[in-house]
Amino acid sequence: SQKIEQNSEALNIQEGKTATLTCNYTNYSPAYLQWYRQDPGRGPVFLLLIRENEKEKRKERLKVTFDTTLKQSLFHITASQPADSATYLCALGSYIPTFGRGTSLIVHP
Amino acid sequence: GAGVSQSPSNKVTEKGKDVELRCDPISGHTALYWYRQRLGQGLEFLIYFQGNSAPDKSGLPSDRFSAERTGESVSTLTIQRTQQEDSAVYLCASSFPTSGGGELFFGEGSRLTVL
Repeated sequence: SQKIEQNSEALNIQEGKTATLTCNYTNYSPAYLQWYRQDPGRGPVFLLLIRENEKEKRKERLKVTFDTTLKQSLFHITASQPADSATYLCALGSYIPTFGRGTSLIVHP
Repeated sequence: GAGVSQSPSNKVTEKGKDVELRCDPISGHTALYWYRQRLGQGLEFLIYFQGNSAPDKSGLPSDRFSAERTGESVSTLTIQRTQQEDSAVYLCASSFPTSGGGELFFGEGSRLTVL
């Protein structure tokens, strides 16, 4: 069955460092991959989309890579700030997105 | 409205009662999705609407769950004879019609607690 794996352990980093979150998947050939941010008690907010024929996408301090051979996406936040602290969800699909469980990021001042 | 609106934001009910959860999508968004998020878990897909039809109901966990959409706008998710395992946050999202990969705009969710 399709499986999406994100690290269940929280990622703790110091302000100013680059945060790197991982999304691995198996038994799946998605046409696209999305990353969302979710704050406690709120709905997810879309951040970035990358399609299967793209290797890398950037938006301001965010960078996403998509390796369909490794079946992995890396999500980077450069120059991290305490305000970046949240849970980050990856979602894969060919039409309807299927979500991973998310990884909590905590940026310490 | 400016965003996806869901009501109620919180609902506490007794086991065996029926509940209705409402979603008002962004105007012009023909695609509408319902997901469920249990505590500490990811989003579990329930149902997808394109316009007023539901081409994908594969995620509905049992026949106690049903959903409808009218006027290509408001959607209602109904849970009959609620069970404790139905306790979760129910999230609604809408998007423009795309060939896939379109950004989903989520509401803030309806938190359901079944006692």
